[in-house]
Amino acid sequence: KQEVTQIPAALSVPEGENLVLNCSFTDSAIYNLQWFRQDPGKGLTSLLLIQSSQREQTSGRLNASLDKSSGRSTLYIAASQPGDSATYLCAVGRNTGTASKLTFGTGTRLQVTL
Amino acid sequence: DAGVIQSPRHEVTEMGQEVTLRCKPISGHNSLFWYRQTMMRGLELLIYFNNNVPIDDSGMPEDRFSAKMPNASFSTLKIQPSEPRDSAVYFCASSSTLWGFVVGGRDYGYTFGSGTRLTVV
Repeated sequence: KQEVTQIPAALSVPEGENLVLNCSFTDSAIYNLQWFRQDPGKGLTSLLLIQSSQREQTSGRLNASLDKSSGRSTLYIAASQPGDSATYLCAVGRNTGTASKLTFGTGTRLQVTL
Repeated sequence: DAGVIQSPRHEVTEMGQEVTLRCKPISGHNSLFWYRQTMMRGLELLIYFNNNVPIDDSGMPEDRFSAKMPNASFSTLKIQPSEPRDSAVYFCASSSTLWGFVVGGRDYGYTFGSGTRLTVV
């Protein structure tokens, strides 16, 4: 059974800092890996998706990397802003033959202070 | 498009009552997913549909839970009878492919609704 762990559970940084969020998973036979953002009381917004054959994806100030062999992914946020404050969730997709079935981590709650 | 629409936003009910959660996916999306989020267990996939047909309900916790998708624009998740341990936020998500992403396109990934916060007392 796939288990996804995110460290740290919570993080507070001053505005402008670069930061790294970590995600680890126990089964390296993954189909893809997604990073999501969740704002309080809201649903999830997909940030980046990395296919199992890829090593990284970039979108603006966000960069996600994937190392399947070690079961790890990182989300790098450059020049953090107060608007980045949210919970960030990592989700590992498994090929079931009919879908990419996601297993979520418990998230990292990020606060960026002025 | 208004996105994935869930109703109600909040539901408080007494133990033993029937609860029905509703979801309207994004028009044109052919896959729909129901998730449950709790502090203890995080986000769990309950069931997903493709073209209105249930594909995998292995995540449904027990027979008290049932889900239907009578047409492409509407799905329900029903709990009967409800129990306090069912208290959670229930999310509905839809996507334009079964895989949750469009190959070669930017609009990949699931689109989530804002959730229904269920409290069973």
